[in-house]
Amino acid sequence: GENVGLHLPTLSVQEGDNSIINCAYSNSASDYFIWYKQESGKGPQFIIDIRSNMDKRQGQRVTVLLNKTVKHLSLQIAATQPGDSAVYFCAVWAAGGTSYGKLTFGQGTILTVHP
Amino acid sequence: DAGVTQSPTHLIKTRGQQVTLRCSPKSGHDTVSWYQQALGQGPQFIFQYYEEEERQRGNFPDRFSGHQFPNYSSELNVNALLLGDSALYLCASSENGKTQYFGPGTRLLVL
Repeated sequence: GENVGLHLPTLSVQEGDNSIINCAYSNSASDYFIWYKQESGKGPQFIIDIRSNMDKRQGQRVTVLLNKTVKHLSLQIAATQPGDSAVYFCAVWAAGGTSYGKLTFGQGTILTVHP
Repeated sequence: DAGVTQSPTHLIKTRGQQVTLRCSPKSGHDTVSWYQQALGQGPQFIFQYYEEEERQRGNFPDRFSGHQFPNYSSELNVNALLLGDSALYLCASSENGKTQYFGPGTRLLVL
């Protein structure tokens, strides 16, 4: 099965700093990766995704890095703002055998941004 | 353009009862997935529906069942509720099965 873990359960930063959230996965057959942001009382919100044939992808203030060799991905948030405070999840897509595939989530990292 | 919608937002049931949760996917999406999220945990995959069929299932007992309608909306049914079924139930829709967009969830409390 797929194990998806995060190195740190919490991360506190000052407003304006850059934030880096890490995620490790175990299944080498994983071919698609997504980062989600979840605010209190809401469903997960799609931030950015990356396919296994890429090692970097940039969005607005966010960058995802994928290292397939060590099965690790990270989310970098530039100039972190108080509105970025939330729980961040990495999710990994993998298919196996005859199964279509499914998305497996990590446990989440709580990001707190101090003004 | 409405995103994924779910109903009800909150629900309280007692052990042994049955519950039905509903989901309408984002416009243009034909695939619906359901997840259970316990407090302080990441979402756990229950199952995915495509073309009115269950395409993939996670490690959940048969007490959890679902349905997808011709308009792509979906229901999640849970029978013989247990205290441990208390959680946030999330619906996600997609057009390719992989890139999933989530609704706000239904908070279920089993007493």
